[in-house]
Amino acid sequence: EPEVTQTPSHQVTQMGQEVILRCVPISNHLYFYWYRQILGQKVEFLVSFYNNEISEKSEIFDDQFSVERPDGSNFTLKIRSTKLEDSAMYFCASTLAGGGDTQYFGPGTRLTVL
Amino acid sequence: LAKTTQPISMDSYEGQEVNITCSHNNIATNDYITWYQQFPSQGPRFIIQGYKTKVTNEVASLFIPADRKSSTLSLPRVSLSDTAVYYCLVGNNAGNNRKLIWGLGTSLAVNP
Repeated sequence: EPEVTQTPSHQVTQMGQEVILRCVPISNHLYFYWYRQILGQKVEFLVSFYNNEISEKSEIFDDQFSVERPDGSNFTLKIRSTKLEDSAMYFCASTLAGGGDTQYFGPGTRLTVL
Repeated sequence: LAKTTQPISMDSYEGQEVNITCSHNNIATNDYITWYQQFPSQGPRFIIQGYKTKVTNEVASLFIPADRKSSTLSLPRVSLSDTAVYYCLVGNNAGNNRKLIWGLGTSLAVNP
């Protein structure tokens, strides 16, 4: 069964550093998402991406965040200057299209900002 | 997007049937109801989705009454490996916006 993959599984960085989280969505999917989950809290929507542009973003997704689909397979989330509060699990998801479509999630990247 | 309410936690024993009910009083006409399962430090995993009446797959059943203001996820004969957090989400496919709004979910503990 096709699946969403994410790398790295765990990223440790110093506050103020830039990080790039990578995702490979399911190959024929058209819609891509990033979510985050702070330990013990609920999953929070960050951004949705379709047709090479952002469809919607939450208030969390401020100027320090950016997304990109640099080629036909990868979907990346960049955090320019990490803060301690950015420590969380980051999940990528993708969906094909159509009514009530199911989002398929990757295993996540655990980001730890020191 | 409709808000959902579900119990914070539930306890069960191996072999029992577990029913988790979710309230979504403000569900819109074109909203679907989707349930996800999440194990610690893993991504959410799709379980089942429905619009009305009953849906069944190899993992679970989903019961949706006529008014669609609630739904019940039914897990038959749970095992220890079903211990996880279960999320009920309501949303539609309008336009390009398909974001999912998550609640805290129901933490299910299956005991031996």
